[in-house]
Amino acid sequence: AQRVTQPEKLLSVFKGAPVELKCNYSYSGSPELFWYVQYSRQRLQLLLRHISRESIKGFTADLNKGETSFHLKKPFAQEEDSAMYYCALVTKGGKLIFGQGTELSVKP
Amino acid sequence: EAQVTQNPRYLITVTGKKLTVTCSQNMNHEYMSWYRQDPGLGLRQIYYSMNVEVTDKGDVPEGYKVSRKEKRNFPLILESPSPNQTSLYFCASSLSWQTLPYEQFFGPGTRLTVL
Repeated sequence: AQRVTQPEKLLSVFKGAPVELKCNYSYSGSPELFWYVQYSRQRLQLLLRHISRESIKGFTADLNKGETSFHLKKPFAQEEDSAMYYCALVTKGGKLIFGQGTELSVKP
Repeated sequence: EAQVTQNPRYLITVTGKKLTVTCSQNMNHEYMSWYRQDPGLGLRQIYYSMNVEVTDKGDVPEGYKVSRKEKRNFPLILESPSPNQTSLYFCASSLSWQTLPYEQFFGPGTRLTVL
């Protein structure tokens, strides 16, 4: 079955602490994975995609095919990182599957 | 300004009264999609469209219809809404699923309440 799992509903850290938002997937083919972010009162927007191997706003994510994971990491969290984060997978047929989302709260 | 628009933004209706939520994009995108967002369940895809006259079911298509007669518009139709369709709905579009980067641009959302 095709599935994206984000095991944490809420992750609360202090400013300056490292952050890791977990994402595991189940997909038989070669996955295309993304992280989307939704800041308060704003639209969902793309944060990063695994194919680009980029770092956006200090966040990185590495695809680990052995562990079927695509965890999002940032070494030093900032208050403005507080938002809802969604991991998503695209199937070959064009279907998009999102995880349940993790709310990140960065305290001062 | 390049964007995805949805109307209405808020809607309260009663069970069984047909409604349509419109979605329009001005970026000449081929791919359009509808999602619903529910607490604890994240975003779930309802329907998607690879191009004009091509639509396909997502994970939760029951109770919904869509059409893609023109590239820019992708309306979501609820023929007989029920209370379990109370949700926050998002429309999104992206350039194409044939080439990267697959980035989806989301609309502002439509909050629907079915009494």
